[in-house]
Amino acid sequence: QKEVEQNSGPLSVPEGAIASLNCTYSDRGSQSFFWYRQYSGKSPELIMFIYSNGDKEDGRFTAQLNKASQYVSLLIRDSQPSDSATYLCAVAQAAGNKLTFGGGTRVLVKP
Amino acid sequence: NAGVTQTPKFQVLKTGQSMTLQCAQDMNHNSMYWYRQDPGMGLRLIYYSASEGTTDKGEVPNGYNVSRLNKREFSLRLESAAPSQTSVYFCASSDTGLSSGNTIYFGEGSWLTVV
Repeated sequence: QKEVEQNSGPLSVPEGAIASLNCTYSDRGSQSFFWYRQYSGKSPELIMFIYSNGDKEDGRFTAQLNKASQYVSLLIRDSQPSDSATYLCAVAQAAGNKLTFGGGTRVLVKP
Repeated sequence: NAGVTQTPKFQVLKTGQSMTLQCAQDMNHNSMYWYRQDPGMGLRLIYYSASEGTTDKGEVPNGYNVSRLNKREFSLRLESAAPSQTSVYFCASSDTGLSSGNTIYFGEGSWLTVV
């Protein structure tokens, strides 16, 4: 079992709708959780990070963390065609300064 | 404002050849990383260096070596390239404290093909 799991997609959403992405992780000692967006042929770029249970909002993006259930999710509201990309979930363990990534979820926003 | 710079951007190698991927960061970060990315596999950590003078293996270190030359530079060497090493390689850096919200910054990637 991979340490960080994501549905590979593609997740197809109509423009203006909400895209919901999920990520589960296996290490209960995980401390911080990151969402990166990666366009085809480009490097990942940070969208959000969260380390406390609950919701964290930044513009059209909301990250949700539930440490007891070991999942973190990302909501994209009012989805735009420019949101079409692969979204990577990453987890930082308490020990060692490194991130473990999930396989990514491909999102397609259709006009 | 260069951030993380890695070279070369594209490279084709023959099986058995060696090469070194170079990486430099100008953000005064302590930690540096080499990841590889294959379709559907996300980013997998090859090696990382928590601070100058230290290196540690990640998930997929076999077939690679690294050198933390100084605080700015972290190179990745393929001693005898194999087709299984065909991938996109990303160098990255971060300040200490990922568990408290510091993040990783990535270079633009190096596309490596081994034939």
